[in-house]
Amino acid sequence: AQSVSQHNHHVILSEAASLELGCNYSYGGTVNLFWYVQYPGQHLQLLLKYFSGDPLVKGIKGFEAEFIKSKFSFNLRKPSVQWSDTAEYFCAVARLRDSSYKLIFGSGTRLLVRP
Amino acid sequence: GAGVSQTPSNKVTEKGKYVELRCDPISGHTALYWYRQSLGQGPEFLIYFQGTGAADDSGLPNDRFFAVRPEGSVSTLKIQRTERGDSAVYLCASSRNEGVTDTQYFGPGTRLTVL
Repeated sequence: AQSVSQHNHHVILSEAASLELGCNYSYGGTVNLFWYVQYPGQHLQLLLKYFSGDPLVKGIKGFEAEFIKSKFSFNLRKPSVQWSDTAEYFCAVARLRDSSYKLIFGSGTRLLVRP
Repeated sequence: GAGVSQTPSNKVTEKGKYVELRCDPISGHTALYWYRQSLGQGPEFLIYFQGTGAADDSGLPNDRFFAVRPEGSVSTLKIQRTERGDSAVYLCASSRNEGVTDTQYFGPGTRLTVL
């Protein structure tokens, strides 16, 4: 079945560790790709997005993601995490053949950063 | 400026009752989306409005769910004969509807609990 997969459901890191969260999708055709973050007690916020062009995109708070079309992947990275990065991270895909551009989300990854 | 707002923030109801959930999009955003997020899952698409019309309602689970947006701004999601399985966080998002480069901005959600 077509889907968005996030491989890690829970990740625990110490401050200053490097982060990589995996995201794979199984849709053919052209897609837009997103990472959203939900901090404790807050609503979903956009971290970064890929529409076209340079497959390495930079977002807020030092996050970046790389689109690898051949692997259907859009992994999120940060070289050095902070305690304030503790949150739940969602990868999402919009299929351009869907004129509504509705988002299809992965199940999320809960990140806990220990001080 | 103001973001997407949703009311109520929490709603507790009994099985079989009718509920209405409200969404106020960002001013000037013509596209409006409803999603549902169950515990441990990512948001799932329910319905998309372009202006006053429901352009894509493919995510509504059954005919107990209905949504309106009569003036192209505020939207109401209506659930009849609620069931315990309807318990979830209902999220609203809006966008400028710029097409392929659209970004959706999410509200804080309404947590619905059906007893």
